[in-house]
Amino acid sequence: GAVVSQHPSWVICKSGTSVKIECRSLDFQATTMFWYRQFPKQSLMLMATSNEGSKATYEQGVEKDKFLINHASLTLSTLTVTSAHPEDSSFYICSARKGTGGTDTQYFGPGTRLTVL
Amino acid sequence: GNSVTQMEGPVTLSEEAFLTINCTYTATGYPSLFWYVQYPGEGLQLLLKATKADDKGSNKGFEATYRKETTSFHLEKGSVQVSDSAVYFCALPMDTGRRALTFGSGTRLQVQP
Repeated sequence: GAVVSQHPSWVICKSGTSVKIECRSLDFQATTMFWYRQFPKQSLMLMATSNEGSKATYEQGVEKDKFLINHASLTLSTLTVTSAHPEDSSFYICSARKGTGGTDTQYFGPGTRLTVL
Repeated sequence: GNSVTQMEGPVTLSEEAFLTINCTYTATGYPSLFWYVQYPGEGLQLLLKATKADDKGSNKGFEATYRKETTSFHLEKGSVQVSDSAVYFCALPMDTGRRALTFGSGTRLQVQP
């Protein structure tokens, strides 16, 4: 199997607080994980690529100081939304890449719904 | 970079009807192609994939054939069920050498009993 978990599944926080979201590959090692953001009834947009043991690579327009990513082990990546504001409310989905070859597949977590009041 | 275009939804069908969701892509080379499904309130699940031209991916009665001549990867199912109601995303790697995926806009399927 290839299972990816996320925690928490949903979180409500006050504006100005920070929220940490965990992404774990449960039965495989993932040297690369990805963080996506999905707005209601829209597609997924890549935020950043998280590589184990190195700094994340952020997509254009994504504030790296606001969305802190840490990939401390081969099975865990975390996304911290710092000083969250209502416009950060969204569905955050991580994926983990299984394999190192050219035909490897990404497996997605169940997502974390963040609501900032 | 690579891109993908999906037919817009929602697609509403009666149970046991035939389903086609169109997907066309623009890509450098011949990357792997994917269909993902998202049930309400959940993350994405890999439905099927094809790794080279003329490959047919299949799973749970769904099929899609990698057609390089028409740069298409249409999703089909011969007889849909109410439980197939979900949003379907066509996807491929963002660019050569990049493993992150770029997704189509998603097609919502509603199957009525």
